[in-house]
Amino acid sequence: QSALTQPASVSGSPGQSITISCTGTTSDVGGSDFVSWHQQQPGKAPKLILYYVTNRPSGVSNRFSGSKSGNTATLTISGLQAEDEADYYCSSYTDINTWVFGGGTKVTVL
Amino acid sequence: QVQLVQSGAEVKKPGASVKVSCKPSGYTFTSHGITWVRQAPGQGLEYVGWIYNGKINHAQRFQGRVTMTTDTSTSTAYMELRGLTSDDTAVYYCARDLYYSVYDWGPGTPVTVSS
Repeated sequence: QSALTQPASVSGSPGQSITISCTGTTSDVGGSDFVSWHQQQPGKAPKLILYYVTNRPSGVSNRFSGSKSGNTATLTISGLQAEDEADYYCSSYTDINTWVFGGGTKVTVL
Repeated sequence: QVQLVQSGAEVKKPGASVKVSCKPSGYTFTSHGITWVRQAPGQGLEYVGWIYNGKINHAQRFQGRVTMTTDTSTSTAYMELRGLTSDDTAVYYCARDLYYSVYDWGPGTPVTVSS
C-alpha cells in the first residue's frame, strides 16, 4: 500500500485560509469515507483533528474543516494562527482493512 | 478521559527483538482495537498493524517480523518486532481505534537500533 500524496509544505499569513490536499486511490481515499487528519506539533505525538472526512473530535477548533472529492481529500485551516504551525498527516482506512498515511505536510505561519 | 501509557525507551542491537507495551485507560479495553504506528527520525507516520478481539492485521512489509498481542487480564497491548535493523529506529506509537480512525494516540516509545 503506497503512502498517500501530500504537499511537503504549505504556508500562510495569520488570518488567512490554507488547504492541504491528500491524494490516494480507489483502494483507500476514493473508496472510503474513513479519511482522517492528524496534527503533530514538534516533539509531540500526533493528535486527531478530523475523522470521517469532516467530523471534529470534541475540543478541536472549528477552524479545521475537511472535504473529499474522488481520490483526493482536503484539509482547510481557516483564520490561520501561530499555534497551527505543525505537521499534518492524512490517513485512510483501506479496502484490505489497514490504514495508510500521507507523507505529511509542514505548515508554516509567516 | 482516555489515556494510553507506553513502555520506556529501548536501545537494541541489530538482530535483536523489542517488545513495546501499551496500557490504555478511560474506556473498556476490549471494546476498541489498538493500532501501532511508527515514525522514523525526521520522517512521516507509517502503519505497522492493529489488533482487535483476536483479529490481527499488519502492513505487508512487517510480514514474519511483527507480533501483536493483548492481555485482557491487565488491559495491556504489546507489539514485538524481531530481526531489528537500523531502519527500525523510530518512535513507536500505540493508539485507540474509533470510528475507523486512529483516534487517541499514546505518547510514543523511542526504539534505537545500534551496534
